[in-house]
Amino acid sequence: NAGVTQTPKFQVLKTGQSMTLQCAQDMNHEYMSWYRQDPGMGLRLIHYSVGAGITDQGEVPNGYNVSRSTTEDFPLRLLSAAPSQTSVYFCASRRTELYEQYFGPGTRLTVT
Amino acid sequence: GQSLEQPSEVTAVEGAIVQMNCTYQTSGFYGLSWYQQHDGGAPTFLSYNALDGLEETGRFSSFLSRSDSYGYLLLQELQMKDSASYFCAVRDQRGGADGLTFGKGTHLIIQP
Repeated sequence: NAGVTQTPKFQVLKTGQSMTLQCAQDMNHEYMSWYRQDPGMGLRLIHYSVGAGITDQGEVPNGYNVSRSTTEDFPLRLLSAAPSQTSVYFCASRRTELYEQYFGPGTRLTVT
Repeated sequence: GQSLEQPSEVTAVEGAIVQMNCTYQTSGFYGLSWYQQHDGGAPTFLSYNALDGLEETGRFSSFLSRSDSYGYLLLQELQMKDSASYFCAVRDQRGGADGLTFGKGTHLIIQP
């Protein structure tokens, strides 16, 4: 199993550009989520999904969209990038009834 | 809302024992998790406590007191590779689907 994979690993965007961060998992996990991590901060939940076709907002959803058309994939879209969105983004997944969450390697995004 | 408090930094000596504390405020509490994150890496799961008491996994132990809204992670026989950030996370009810809320983390520094 590859676990949770994320692409790209690094990305630089200009203010106002849009892009999609990809996340995929091959463990058949129902629950998937996106976090951002800023220096000196913990992980803050952006959006999550409890299954295909179902998504909901987390703590810091503004400026981001998600969709979940399959169990495996959970892309995160930045609609119009802003410097405040410079961060490291982690995707994670787990079985709904279990507590152990698996994280992808992260995407380091810089918005200039 | 949810909030978690962790000391920002702890220093310990190789071979010694260290305890890292976590206090939380949340509603609909299910359990407390601990994650380890090395610099530049992704968080990895260490332990989970749903009930009061101590859980042991090798050199790592985690404790929970639900009545005090308090938990800690204990690391024994410290090794240099244990230098990392350690995050506690509360599993709670959010909008019908339980999610994780993370503390800001404790940076553990191991000295030889």
